[in-house]
Amino acid sequence: NAGVTQTPKFQVLKTGQSMTLQCAQDMNHNSMYWYRQDPGMGLRLIYYSASEGTTDKGEVPNGYNVSRLNKREFSLRLESAAPSQTSVYFCASSEPVGGYTFGSGTRLTVV
Amino acid sequence: GEDVEQSLFLSVREGDSSVINCTYTDSSSTYLYWYKQEPGAGLQLLTYIFSNMDMKQDQRLTVLLNKKDKHLSLRIADTQTGDSAIYFCAERLNRDDKIIFGKGTRLHILP
Repeated sequence: NAGVTQTPKFQVLKTGQSMTLQCAQDMNHNSMYWYRQDPGMGLRLIYYSASEGTTDKGEVPNGYNVSRLNKREFSLRLESAAPSQTSVYFCASSEPVGGYTFGSGTRLTVV
Repeated sequence: GEDVEQSLFLSVREGDSSVINCTYTDSSSTYLYWYKQEPGAGLQLLTYIFSNMDMKQDQRLTVLLNKKDKHLSLRIADTQTGDSAIYFCAERLNRDDKIIFGKGTRLHILP
């Protein structure tokens, strides 16, 4: 019963490098989300996907792209990383009644 | 716009009750949630309450909902050191099923 699995757990990037954060869920949930968590800012929604094949911008989408590869997987890509993207990134999935199930997070540092 | 407000810090002596308060703005919210985040971990769903209920009890946890005042509270009885964490209040919006999170209350347990 893995729930939501995120990889990698930690990453250090240089400014301008690109990378993809991976997320997979095994609960057959339709909706998936990417958040970033910064001190004093709480959780901010970057992108979400209400179902396979659809994606929508959240509160802070600039500098990010997403792909809903299939029902299980929802990836987040940073094309050209900036120090302002240093954060903890969480993926989550949900069904309409229950709350969100979160992954354990990816701690990203951009130097 | 939608907003969920909660105080940022709470200190409680071990063995006392902790009460974490939250206010929200969307009167049509369907569900309200409490999540717990321990250091270095993702958010875990603690409990949730449907908007037509006014109280829910689950072992040491009691959730009270005042829909008229849009006020939600989480009471933890007999607070223990393992309860030290950040607690997030969240509401599920009726119109698009998105969940809006507060910034979290850091609960500190005093010996």
